[in-house]
Amino acid sequence: QKEVEQDPGPLSVPEGAIVSLNCTYSNSAFQYFMWYRQYSRKGPELLMYTYSSGNKEDGRFTAQVDKSSKYISLFIRDSQPSDSATYLCAILIPPGEAQKLVFGQGTRLTINP
Amino acid sequence: TAGITQAPTSQILAAGRSMTLRCTQDMRHNAMYWYRQDLGLGLRLIHYSNTAGTTGKGEVPDGYSVSRANTDDFPLTLASAVPSQTSVYFCASSAHWQHEQFFGPGTRLTVL
Repeated sequence: QKEVEQDPGPLSVPEGAIVSLNCTYSNSAFQYFMWYRQYSRKGPELLMYTYSSGNKEDGRFTAQVDKSSKYISLFIRDSQPSDSATYLCAILIPPGEAQKLVFGQGTRLTINP
Repeated sequence: TAGITQAPTSQILAAGRSMTLRCTQDMRHNAMYWYRQDLGLGLRLIHYSNTAGTTGKGEVPDGYSVSRANTDDFPLTLASAVPSQTSVYFCASSAHWQHEQFFGPGTRLTVL
């Protein structure tokens, strides 16, 4: 079983819609959960990260972690065409000798005007 | 500041040839990483380095080697390229007190 699983989509929604992106993970010891955004032909950029469980909000974006079900979500409210990108969830492997990230497959999102 | 630069931007390489992908960061980050990104597989860690002089293997290290002679540079070498190494390669770096990794713009490599 992969450590992180993500539905690759693609996902296409109209402008203004609420978008829900999701990942599942396998190891209950994981504590740091991240969402990266990657525009076409660019490198990924950190969008948000959360520690342990609960919600974290930043403008139109909300990251949610449910440790009981090993499920992480990213919600985008009032989606805009500029939100069109690939979204990657990532989990930080428990601190050790390096900050190793394990990524999901990425979900390609298109917001249609 | 430039952040992370990678060279070349893209390359077509004949199978069996060697190649070095270059990565330079100007943020004085101690840790650096190489990932490959393939459709349907996401980003996978090839090699990493905690600090200058040390390196470690990631999830998919076979066929690749790295060195870390100084803080800023982290080259990735393919000694004898094979078509399965066709991918987009990203270099990243992070500071030891941060969880965020900063990514370069990537190198698109095609091995024929």
